[in-house]
Amino acid sequence: GEDVEQSLFLSVREGDSSVINCTYTDSSSTYLYWYKQEPGAGLQLLTYIFSNMDMKQDQRLTVLLNKKDKHLSLRIADTQTGDSAIYFCAESTGGSYIPTFGRGTSLIVHP
Amino acid sequence: DTEVTQTPKHLVMGMTNKKSLKCEQHMGHRAMYWYKQKAKKPPELMFVYSYEKLSINESVPSRFSPECPNSSLLNLHLHALQPEDSALYLCASSHWTGQGTDTQYFGPGTRLTVL
Repeated sequence: GEDVEQSLFLSVREGDSSVINCTYTDSSSTYLYWYKQEPGAGLQLLTYIFSNMDMKQDQRLTVLLNKKDKHLSLRIADTQTGDSAIYFCAESTGGSYIPTFGRGTSLIVHP
Repeated sequence: DTEVTQTPKHLVMGMTNKKSLKCEQHMGHRAMYWYKQKAKKPPELMFVYSYEKLSINESVPSRFSPECPNSSLLNLHLHALQPEDSALYLCASSHWTGQGTDTQYFGPGTRLTVL
C-alpha cells in the first residue's frame, strides 16, 4: 500500500468546517505537513507539525496528530470558496527530510 | 523574497526538440528539487541538488538532464521527450540543514506538453 493515504474528495458548504484526514505508515515519521495546491499552481506549504506534538493551530487551520494511530487531520474553520483546492498530506523522516506526499484530497466548497 | 520562479509557464515541444526549464530562488536555500506531477497525482521527486551537487536522482530517464549552475539557479534540459512526459514540472527549494524544518518552497510550475 501507499505510504501516505488520503480520501480523494471532500465537499463542504461555505461557512462550515472542513476536516481532511490522512494516514501514514512510517512510524519513524518526524515531520508531517499539509500543502495546498490551487489549479495550475505549485504547492503552498500551509503548516507542519513535529511528531512529538498532538495539535497545532494557526488562524483558521487546526492540525491534529494521533501518533499511535498514525492519523493526521487538517481542520479548516469557516471554509470559504477560496479554500477550494487540492490538499496534500506529506511526511518526512530524519536524514534528508524530503517529504513523501499522499495523493491529495480535492476540497470543493459550494455556496 | 520567499518566491521560487519558474520559466516558461507553458511549453509545447515536439519529440525531436531540445528545450530547457529554468528555476530561480533568492532565499539562500542550498537545496533545489525537480518534481514531475501528472494530473490528479502527487508530485514525484526527480532530482535533488544540495550545495550545487546532484545528491538524488530518482532513476529518471536520461532524456531529462538537470543542471545547477549556481546556488540560485536550477535548469532541466529536455531532449527527445515522449508524449507521456507531458506534465507539470515543479521546482522547489529549501535549506539543507538536516532538520525537518527544511521546508520546501515550490514554484508555480511549467506546464509541459509533448506532441
